[in-house]
Amino acid sequence: ETGVTQSPTHLIKTRGQQVTLRCSSQSGHNTVSWYQQALGQGPQFIFQYYREEENGRGNFPPRFSGLQFPNYSSELNVNALELDDSALYLCASSLAGKNTGELFFGEGSRLTVL
Amino acid sequence: GDSVTQMEGPVTLSEEAFLTINCTYTATGYPSLFWYVQYPGEGLQLLLKATKADDKGSNKGFEATYRKETTSFHLEKGSVQVSDSAVYFCALAYYGGSQGNLIFGKGTKLSVKP
Repeated sequence: ETGVTQSPTHLIKTRGQQVTLRCSSQSGHNTVSWYQQALGQGPQFIFQYYREEENGRGNFPPRFSGLQFPNYSSELNVNALELDDSALYLCASSLAGKNTGELFFGEGSRLTVL
Repeated sequence: GDSVTQMEGPVTLSEEAFLTINCTYTATGYPSLFWYVQYPGEGLQLLLKATKADDKGSNKGFEATYRKETTSFHLEKGSVQVSDSAVYFCALAYYGGSQGNLIFGKGTKLSVKP
């Protein structure tokens, strides 16, 4: 069984740039969620994708957007990067209707915005 | 809004010591409660959960009881090991809503010394 994989693991961007982070869900999982974890904080829910559509969103501005593909993999896009966007971005997958709250997380993509 | 508060870390214990990590929550409804753990270099993983008041979740020697009267879900282990060194996150979520929307506490770092 393949776990959740994320890429890239680390990246550095400058303010105003755009970034795309990628996530492959665990085998058999059809739902992907994205979280932002700032240093010393707990993860914060950005949004969730199910059946290629956004299915729930946290308190993040529209410059945070995402996609889910037919193979259930997902992308997180952030436009007009700000310094406060520096964080660990976590992807989590799950199977809709099963074990609500039990998410399977990747190791994350660490974004630094200079 | 809903929130989770955890005791601040870091917590440093000697091997075989008793562990308690306090967690309290504020919720408008009746959430499920979770403990997730993040071992060094790994993604977050579910440690245990409880779905209703008075339920006890347990796994790997860890236990937590869902206390509605005190809005608490404290994590305990009778005898910690060096391998328990990790960051522990308390979280809540609701059935029926956006499945991926976990609300996390800030995390408590545990270091166990031999």
